[in-house]
Amino acid sequence: QQQVKQSPQSLIVQKGGIPIINCAYENTAFDYFPWYQQFPGKGPALLIAIRPDVSEKKEGRFTISFNKSAKQFSLHIMDSQPGDSATYFCAASTTGSQGNLIFGKGTKLSVKP
Amino acid sequence: DADVTQTPRNRITKTGKRIMLECSQTKGHDRMYWYRQDPGLGLRLIYYSFDVKDINKGEISDGYSVSRQAQAKFSLSLESAIPNQTALYFCATSDWAGGSADTQYFGPGTRLTVL
Repeated sequence: QQQVKQSPQSLIVQKGGIPIINCAYENTAFDYFPWYQQFPGKGPALLIAIRPDVSEKKEGRFTISFNKSAKQFSLHIMDSQPGDSATYFCAASTTGSQGNLIFGKGTKLSVKP
Repeated sequence: DADVTQTPRNRITKTGKRIMLECSQTKGHDRMYWYRQDPGLGLRLIYYSFDVKDINKGEISDGYSVSRQAQAKFSLSLESAIPNQTALYFCATSDWAGGSADTQYFGPGTRLTVL
């Protein structure tokens, strides 16, 4: 119940394409769903996050879509650029004093010029 | 990343040696975490600390120990390193604001190789 399942493991798209990364969870107590972006040689950094009271959140070219009934959420990158090449992690947690992040296994995205 | 520093950045050691990885932060956060990252396995929580007097085991604490020397310092030790502890280790901090979600801030990582 604590797992967050992420797919695909790797993804290659052409510049301008729209990569989509999917995550699924089982624990209905999760109420915070962030995405972290990690460039080679760096630590992960928060990219965008959503709560289950909305179905979509957009920040620049990055959009999270959330389907509460299906217990799934996904990251879409519009007009992808080579600079978006990185590893992306979805995560989930329950807010509150003990809510640690449970991370997916990551998706390595490569955007070809 | 500069607010969370990790030393060393790279370390090669031999089986059976004791190793300490150090983490310091200038963000003034109470919460600190140690993760390991392995290809295809994502980020797995080793230990976490919500304040200087609070230490908690994470998902994969066996073979590791930690010390929270001060609010700003959190060290991870491998008492007797083994090859399957070869991984990328990350320290992270967060500032829980009473019911709101944590944003975790990660250090640059320590690449540990156990021969």
